[in-house]
Amino acid sequence: GQNIDQPTEMTATEGAIVQINCTYQTSGFNGLFWYQQHAGEAPTFLSYNVLDGLEEKGRFSSFLSRSKGYSYLLLKELQMKDSASYLCAVRVAGNNRKLIWGLGTSLAVNP
Amino acid sequence: EAGVAQSPRYKIIEKRQSVAFWCNPISGHATLYWYQQILGQGPKLLIQFQNNGVVDDSQLPKDRFSAERLKGVDSTLKIQPAKLEDSAVYLCASSSQTAGANVLTFGAGSRLTVL
Repeated sequence: GQNIDQPTEMTATEGAIVQINCTYQTSGFNGLFWYQQHAGEAPTFLSYNVLDGLEEKGRFSSFLSRSKGYSYLLLKELQMKDSASYLCAVRVAGNNRKLIWGLGTSLAVNP
Repeated sequence: EAGVAQSPRYKIIEKRQSVAFWCNPISGHATLYWYQQILGQGPKLLIQFQNNGVVDDSQLPKDRFSAERLKGVDSTLKIQPAKLEDSAVYLCASSSQTAGANVLTFGAGSRLTVL
C-alpha cells in the first residue's frame, strides 16, 4: 500500500528552528514535495526533492533520503506567519504522475 | 501569470441537493486535478485530467460525483445528490506537462457545507 507519515502537530517559538519529518512507503518514487497551507487557503509549493541531499531555499530547507524513505522540512528563524499546515507529498512511479499526500503537520509558532 | 480560478468560493446546500464547481486552470497547463480536502486532512484526489481525457478517477464516488473537461481547458465538478460527508473544500489544481518537478498550482478552493 501507499503510506505517508508526518506528525499531526508541532509547536515552536518565534526565531527558533523547527524540523518537520515525513516518512513514506510507496510503490516507486519519483519525487517528494513540501507544500505550505495557511488556514482557509490553498496549498502553496515550497520545495521539491528527487535526489538525496539537502535543498536550501532561503529560510526553508528540505532533505531527502530515498534509501530510508525519509524527508524533512527545516524552517529557520521562525516567524509568526510560518504558522500553517505543512503537507508532504510523494510522486509515485507511473505515467499519470500521481501524488500521494500526507495528512499534514500543523505548526504553531508562538511569540 | 494568472492563477487557477475557482468558483464559487462558498456554497451551502441541504443534503440531497446538487452543486457544481467550476475551475479555470493556468493557461497552457495540460493537467487538471480535482481534490477533496476535509478539515484537518491532506488533499484526496478525486479526478485527474490530461487535456480532456481522464487519467485517474479511481477515488471519485461515481454514483454521485461527476466531472468534465470538454475542451481541455476549464472543468466542472458536480455532486448530485449531496451527502453530509461531502462537506469539504474542493480544490482544483493544474500543472504543465513538462518533465521535472511538474509542480501543482492550486486554486483558492470551493468550500462546501452540506446541512
